[in-house]
Amino acid sequence: EVQLVESGGTLVQPGGSLRLSCAASGSNFNSNELNWVRQAPGKGLEWISYISGGGSTIYYADSVKGRFTISRDNAQKSMFLQMNSLRAEDTAIYYCASGRRRGFDYWGQGTQLTVSS
Amino acid sequence: IQMTQSPSSLSASVGDRVTITCRASQSISSYLNWYQQKPGGAPKILIYGASNLQSGVPSRFSGSGSGTDFTLTISSLQPEDFASYYCQQSYSSPYSFGQGTKLEIK
Repeated sequence: EVQLVESGGTLVQPGGSLRLSCAASGSNFNSNELNWVRQAPGKGLEWISYISGGGSTIYYADSVKGRFTISRDNAQKSMFLQMNSLRAEDTAIYYCASGRRRGFDYWGQGTQLTVSS
Repeated sequence: IQMTQSPSSLSASVGDRVTITCRASQSISSYLNWYQQKPGGAPKILIYGASNLQSGVPSRFSGSGSGTDFTLTISSLQPEDFASYYCQQSYSSPYSFGQGTKLEIK
């Protein structure tokens, strides 16, 4: 079983930057495919990024492409989301989730990002 | 790939049989997953690969479909089933979700 814990969410001004982290526990982290999914207040789920176990394959949603960068450190069993040029519409709870083809089987509890002046 | 769920909201009673549908804008084979989310909580996977019950999920949940049309069925609603439900395609990036269905108590 995998446990995921997100951190780093806070209040940021528009145009600012922030890095979110997702720490994992459990074995075989190197083979875990990971994703970031966000949920704006009162809205549905939005997938925003994927990274393969080795980090060689990365995908982004159009809404964040060019502004957000996903990465991972397998030695530290961690995944990151570097977010630049933040906008009010990026305000959301950000979840990390493991999996891909067979769905997202493990989720963290989420971390809240608020973008506001 | 656009995922469209219906209905957006649904009122039902304990013991009812409920069906939620999800339609993909193009064929996604069987790469369709269903999630349940309760207020203040993270999503939980119920069904993967259109019809495979995730370990630990009650058997009253079932999924069917392939190609572009899919359904999630709850055979006999229990009080703990009142929540929001989302479909998601894992066929190709971006791994889009449906807009959600909120299941409320009648």
